Amino acid sequence: QKEVEQNSGPLSVPEGAIASLNCTYSDRGSQSFFWYRQYSGKSPELIMFIYSNGDKEDGRFTAQLNKASQYVSLLIRDSQPSDSATYLCAVREYGNKLVFGAGTILRVKS
Amino acid sequence: DTEVTQTPKHLVMGMTNKKSLKCEQHMGHRAMYWYKQKAKKPPELMFVYSYEKLSINESVPSRFSPECPNSSLLNLHLHALQPEDSALYLCASSQTLVAGGLDTQYFGPGTRLTVL
Repeated sequence: QKEVEQNSGPLSVPEGAIASLNCTYSDRGSQSFFWYRQYSGKSPELIMFIYSNGDKEDGRFTAQLNKASQYVSLLIRDSQPSDSATYLCAVREYGNKLVFGAGTILRVKS
Repeated sequence: DTEVTQTPKHLVMGMTNKKSLKCEQHMGHRAMYWYKQKAKKPPELMFVYSYEKLSINESVPSRFSPECPNSSLLNLHLHALQPEDSALYLCASSQTLVAGGLDTQYFGPGTRLTVL
């Protein structure tokens, strides 16, 4: 099975700061990458998806993909306490199977 | 609208019971998925249906039996489960299985299952 690795954290950032979440993957042929946010006791919620090298911005969120280095990251600008959650990186495999990383716990302190 | 609904929200069952989990989407998606998530772990894929046909079975024990009666509905039939099967069961859907934009999966709220 292909591997997706994330630092489990917790990553603590002060309110208003930039949170940087990173993910590496083992399959060089992977093409689709997703970031999900999961609050405790809830289901994963899609934040961003990215297919092409470079940056993709959506509001306070920016996804960055570097296929040569096999990493994908998520930047959250102006972090808010409501951003405190587990962030799951997922990589698409055959048949649209998603392989998830273990998730990074983000804590935004007010 | 990216809503996937699941019922029930919570389910407690004994090891000899038979129960079913239900999932519904009205987004016109043609691919549906079952995932299992244990506490403090990421979701793990169980089954994939594409155009109402089983596409992937991740070597799931036969005590879990999926069914896709039509393009909007996905069921998971449970029988003779074990306590270690207790988990959050997540349903997801996507427009298709094709990469490049139509493969984004949207999750339902999940069913929290406890097996006694």
